[in-house]
Amino acid sequence: ILNVEQSPQSLHVQEGDSTNFTCSFPSSNFYALHWYRWETAKSPEALFVMTLNGDEKKKGRISATLNTKEGYSYLYIKGSQPEDSATYLCASTVPSSFGNEKLTFGTGTRLTIIP
Amino acid sequence: NAGVTQTPKFRVLKTGQSMTLLCAQDMNHEYMYWYRQDPGMGLRLIHYSVGEGTTAKGEVPDGYNVSRLKKQNFLLGLESAAPSQTSVYFCASSYSLGRENYGYTFGSGTRLTVV
Repeated sequence: ILNVEQSPQSLHVQEGDSTNFTCSFPSSNFYALHWYRWETAKSPEALFVMTLNGDEKKKGRISATLNTKEGYSYLYIKGSQPEDSATYLCASTVPSSFGNEKLTFGTGTRLTIIP
Repeated sequence: NAGVTQTPKFRVLKTGQSMTLLCAQDMNHEYMYWYRQDPGMGLRLIHYSVGEGTTAKGEVPDGYNVSRLKKQNFLLGLESAAPSQTSVYFCASSYSLGRENYGYTFGSGTRLTVV
């Protein structure tokens, strides 16, 4: 995998159901994986930053896991609520001559919660 | 606690005109970034800076210039605007994308239309 890829592109989930989606990233030269939540007409907000293989982070009903050896991360939302409707972006750091300071973003998973 | 402030929020330019977008952050972040967001393309890095007085090219730098004369400000310039530069521009800043686990803080975006 050369780029950061997210699937599915969009998702409709019934309120109360749980859901998950995937981020795939280049596993070579991995440094960090970020998840952001982006509501319409707002700016992206950081959810998680993960660096270690096997990392699992949790914030309320949202959690994320990381597999750096195979290059994927899952984001889980338990008991979806209407306020979870947003685009979820993942991003991976890209090493450069300066260091590991750049992020490459996926195109996002657009989640819509149906009341 | 303003975070990252972008000005202006909206602008319409004629082809060939020039303009400067201003990004200001009050969090003492070292790193600052300019992204553009286009439908189906995700966030693409234009230019970035790892500290006062430094700049570097990102993924799509052509047609743009940047300056970081003060740590808190990162300016994005369009010398001769083209319709292909119609986009939503996001500025972001961060302490570091290393193992300190800090994510980006984004501004609210500038919607630019070039006619």
